Amino acid sequence: DTAVSQTPKYLVTQMGNDKSIKCEQNLGHDTMYWYKQDSKKFLKIMFSYNNKELIINETVPNRFSPKSPDKAHLNLHINSLELGDSAVYFCASSSPRDANNEQFFGPGTRLTVL
Amino acid sequence: AQSVTQLGSHVSVSEGALVLLRCNYSSSVPPYLFWYVQYPNQGLQLLLKYTSAATLVKGINGFEAEFKKSETSFHLTKPSAHMSDAAEYFCAVITNAGGTSYGKLTFGQGTILTVHP
Repeated sequence: DTAVSQTPKYLVTQMGNDKSIKCEQNLGHDTMYWYKQDSKKFLKIMFSYNNKELIINETVPNRFSPKSPDKAHLNLHINSLELGDSAVYFCASSSPRDANNEQFFGPGTRLTVL
Repeated sequence: AQSVTQLGSHVSVSEGALVLLRCNYSSSVPPYLFWYVQYPNQGLQLLLKYTSAATLVKGINGFEAEFKKSETSFHLTKPSAHMSDAAEYFCAVITNAGGTSYGKLTFGQGTILTVHP
């Protein structure tokens, strides 16, 4: 039943490590997004993929690399983790057939870098 | 570029009182506007959305918002607050109107709503 799911829900790791967060949606959407919510709860878009093609790439360090193996999945790989990467990462998806442009969000992944 | 400003990072009301959360936007084209709610340690849930139809939009849990173009506002209201409304509320705008299927949501900084007995 879950529309947009993310794994893991919590991720605790050391500085310098490489980690991945996975996102899957079963809504049949073509577009997927990654947002970052920092410690002050500010939400900002990082990336967006449409039909596996990168369409939005905000000013994100190149240590962050999104990968979309198919339309239903958008994973986020982070190299050389830094303390400032600690945040909650939200995946979202939307459909081109939805003129309302509504984005559906996953439950979030809380990343803590020690 | 579009932007969203939420006036008041914290709003506190008594149970049963009116809830008013303020949102002003800046956009060069007609916007799509959204209110999301985030309960503690949870994801974002859509409360309501404005998509150029009726200017008064009704959402879930008794919330509604009115789009006022002249004031560039989209304030969220609820006539009577309930304890379960305590959460953080985010106003957001997309300005990819024009038929494109995707666009980035630009969020306001959020307003924490506290409801006390």
